[in-house]
Amino acid sequence: QKEVEQNSGPLSVPEGAIASLNCTYSDRVSQSFFWYRQYSGKSPELIMSIYSNGDKEDGRFTAQLNKASQYVSLLIRDSQPSDSATYLCAVKDNNDMRFGAGTRLTVKP
Amino acid sequence: DAMVIQNPRYQVTQFGKPVTLSCSQTLNHNVMYWYQQKSSQAPKLLFHYYDKDFNNEADTPDNFQSRRPNTSFCFLDIRSPGLGDAAMYLCATKPGGEGYEQYFGPGTRLTVT
Repeated sequence: QKEVEQNSGPLSVPEGAIASLNCTYSDRVSQSFFWYRQYSGKSPELIMSIYSNGDKEDGRFTAQLNKASQYVSLLIRDSQPSDSATYLCAVKDNNDMRFGAGTRLTVKP
Repeated sequence: DAMVIQNPRYQVTQFGKPVTLSCSQTLNHNVMYWYQQKSSQAPKLLFHYYDKDFNNEADTPDNFQSRRPNTSFCFLDIRSPGLGDAAMYLCATKPGGEGYEQYFGPGTRLTVT
């Protein structure tokens, strides 16, 4: 059974702080990794994708991938209350996309 | 401009009464997915189509069926809904091949009474 594991949280950070979200996966052949943000009652929204080892930055978001450790993370700098949501890690191989259960993030003003 | 459209957004059905959820896309993507998501859980893949090639997850109940009559449309049929089938149903699409992101529709919230 291929698995994607995330700490369910809740993770609470003050406004302006860095939020760090982590994800591990079990399938070594996975090639593509994604972070989705999901607000309550809404569908997931893609915020970052990463395909190779290292860091990828997009605005306040940085994704980090370490395939040897089977680990992917998302950093959110200068966290805002509007970042409060559940963050889903997703791992893809071929056409199968598998999701973690998500980490609930709360950013307190 | 909506690219992945799901109808209806909210569906109420009775226990055992068949229900169909629909998904359409304007992206011309090869791959379409159906997920079931219950509260505080990961989206669970039910099945996906690569063009007309149907791929069923091993643990998807027989109660769930799908049809893809053309590139743009995909349907989820629940033949005899049970109370445990109440969930958000998410449709997603992506181009074929590696390295492409998946895009979700807004979802259909199914209630079973």
